[in-house]
Amino acid sequence: AQSVAQPEDQVNVAEGNPLTVKCTYSVSGNPYLFWYVQYPNRGLQFLLKYITGDNLVKGSYGFEAEFNKSQTSFHLKKPTALVSDSALYFCAVGAGGYNKLIFGAGTRLAVHP
Amino acid sequence: EAEVAQSPRYKITEKSQAVAFWCDPISGHATLYWYRQILGQGPELLVQFQDESVVDDSQLPKDRFSAERLKGVDSTLKIQPAELGDSAMYLCASSQDTYQETQYFGPGTRLLVL
Repeated sequence: AQSVAQPEDQVNVAEGNPLTVKCTYSVSGNPYLFWYVQYPNRGLQFLLKYITGDNLVKGSYGFEAEFNKSQTSFHLKKPTALVSDSALYFCAVGAGGYNKLIFGAGTRLAVHP
Repeated sequence: EAEVAQSPRYKITEKSQAVAFWCDPISGHATLYWYRQILGQGPELLVQFQDESVVDDSQLPKDRFSAERLKGVDSTLKIQPAELGDSAMYLCASSQDTYQETQYFGPGTRLLVL
């Protein structure tokens, strides 16, 4: 069965420092992976996705993610955190023919001034 | 920029009442999804449409939930009767098709059942 784990409920980072939000997955077959961000009382906004090719994927707002097949991970990164990056981040994995996504429980990112 | 529209944004109802949510996907998107997001959790798929056909409703509580997409465009999700445990955010998403496509989400409807 497909599953996604986001091992950290919350990540705290000082503004200007690099940030990493972790995600590991379990899926049969070749996965495709997504990161979404959610601000309070809003829907999910697409950040980036990995399907195939280069393991480093660049996305919106300066975010990037690294796909590591051997470690079954897809960690989200940003070189310089901003206070405005504070939000809830979701990792999702898809597999199979109908584009069904399985989401992790989310990680709350808090960037402090 | 095209967006997924949902209404209402907020809904308060009493248990045993009926509620309905509406979603208008991005124009031209064949696939439409309804998710439920309980506070503190990730979204969980309730039902998925390809055009007007249901392709996955395995997690839809069919004794009280129903969904339709009659003309293959907008969609309605209904709960009757609502229960306290239905309090959640209901998210609609759409994608151009089903194969590894990005899903774009609407703002959601927050439901509170009293």
